Amino acid sequence: GENVEQHPSTLSVQEGDSAVIKCTYSDSASNYFPWYKQELGKRPQLIIDIRSNVGEKKDQRIAVTLNKTAKHFSLHITETQPEDSAVYFCAASSSDGNQFYFGTGTSLTVIP
Amino acid sequence: EPEVTQTPSHQVTQMGQEVILRCVPISNHLYFYWYRQILGQKVEFLVSFYNNEISEKSEIFDDQFSVERPDGSNFTLKIRSTKLEDSAMYFCASSGVYEQYFGPGTRLTVT
Repeated sequence: GENVEQHPSTLSVQEGDSAVIKCTYSDSASNYFPWYKQELGKRPQLIIDIRSNVGEKKDQRIAVTLNKTAKHFSLHITETQPEDSAVYFCAASSSDGNQFYFGTGTSLTVIP
Repeated sequence: EPEVTQTPSHQVTQMGQEVILRCVPISNHLYFYWYRQILGQKVEFLVSFYNNEISEKSEIFDDQFSVERPDGSNFTLKIRSTKLEDSAMYFCASSGVYEQYFGPGTRLTVT
């Protein structure tokens, strides 16, 4: 089955700096890659996603890039703010969309 | 904005007891999922459900687990005989085509 790896496990940045989180996947048939933000004690919330027919997608301060050849995708957060502090999970969906494989999470801390 | 809801928010049960966790997916969604998250760890896929049947399940989803959509709105996860290691947060999720939305979770504590 699919194996999703995520790095780094923890990340601290100064407010205003950029943060980058990277994930790799193993199944070339995966075609949908969402990113979730999970605040302490809360549900994972979908913040951005990308499909395999697109190389990059941006939504205000958040962007995701996908390299299908290398089987990796990344989350980029620019102009970080303290409220961006959370655990971020990447995921990859099986080609039929019936199963989602999650990365191990990145705990992001934005220092004011 | 419609949301996935789950009840109860916290369930405490004794080892060996049966528990049923309940979820109400977003009304026009067709795919339903259960996930488990042990404290401080990643989200783990348990099972997906489409068209009134299981479409995929993980190795975690053994014979102790079952899912049901008893009516047009509820989606349940049953654990037949709970073990200590079943203690975790259980999230329900639903999706239309791709975007998957999570419920607030049920924290299950097995004592």
